[in-house]
Amino acid sequence: QVQLQESGPGLVQPSETLSLTCTVSGGSVISGSHFWSWIRQPPGKGLEWIGYIYHSGSTNYNPTFKSRVTISVDTSKNQFSLRVTSVTAADTAVYYCARTPVLPTGTWPPNYWGRGTLVTVSS
Amino acid sequence: QSVLTQPPSASGTPGQRVTISCSGSSSNIGSNTVNWYQQFPGTAPKVLIYNNDQRPLGVPDRFSGSKSGTSASLAISGVQSEDEADYYCAAWDASVNGVVFGGGTKLTVL
Repeated sequence: QVQLQESGPGLVQPSETLSLTCTVSGGSVISGSHFWSWIRQPPGKGLEWIGYIYHSGSTNYNPTFKSRVTISVDTSKNQFSLRVTSVTAADTAVYYCARTPVLPTGTWPPNYWGRGTLVTVSS
Repeated sequence: QSVLTQPPSASGTPGQRVTISCSGSSSNIGSNTVNWYQQFPGTAPKVLIYNNDQRPLGVPDRFSGSKSGTSASLAISGVQSEDEADYYCAAWDASVNGVVFGGGTKLTVL
């Protein structure tokens, strides 16, 4: 059974950088059949896809975030990470990491999710 | 503004059949599979339906999914009080090469 676990600071100062790590167990980030994604959910609101990374290091990001987001992978630790720069209160959300299946017929929405971690942007 | 359109709320009395719709476009639902997620307060979304109409092990068979063209639906036949939760649809979108979600539907069991 694949498990994902987010970790990182729960409080970030405005204009600073948010950094989170997702540790994967029961599966491998070098799987050629999956993207590894970050998704967030502001309090009381819906889900928003942030971006994904493939084991090769190739990435794709939600245009909404423009150049503020970077996702990286550390295959030696079976982890992938998220950085969001220049954060504001609008970045306050529960951040989830998730596994996204890539099949010959197409890419599916995420099937395994971490429990999520609340990040609050406040001084 | 979510890419996929869901009604913000739905309701039913115990035992009733409830359906939740999800409307998209040719770049997402029209060309890719749909997942439905169930989310309780303070918890992560749980896959309820994958690949349009498939139920993971452990999901009660009162939950069913369907897709037609650029729309999808989640049906709960015989809704129960424990089904009171938020429900989200999702699909891969070729125009952004990423996953898009509906805005969520809050189900109330009266």
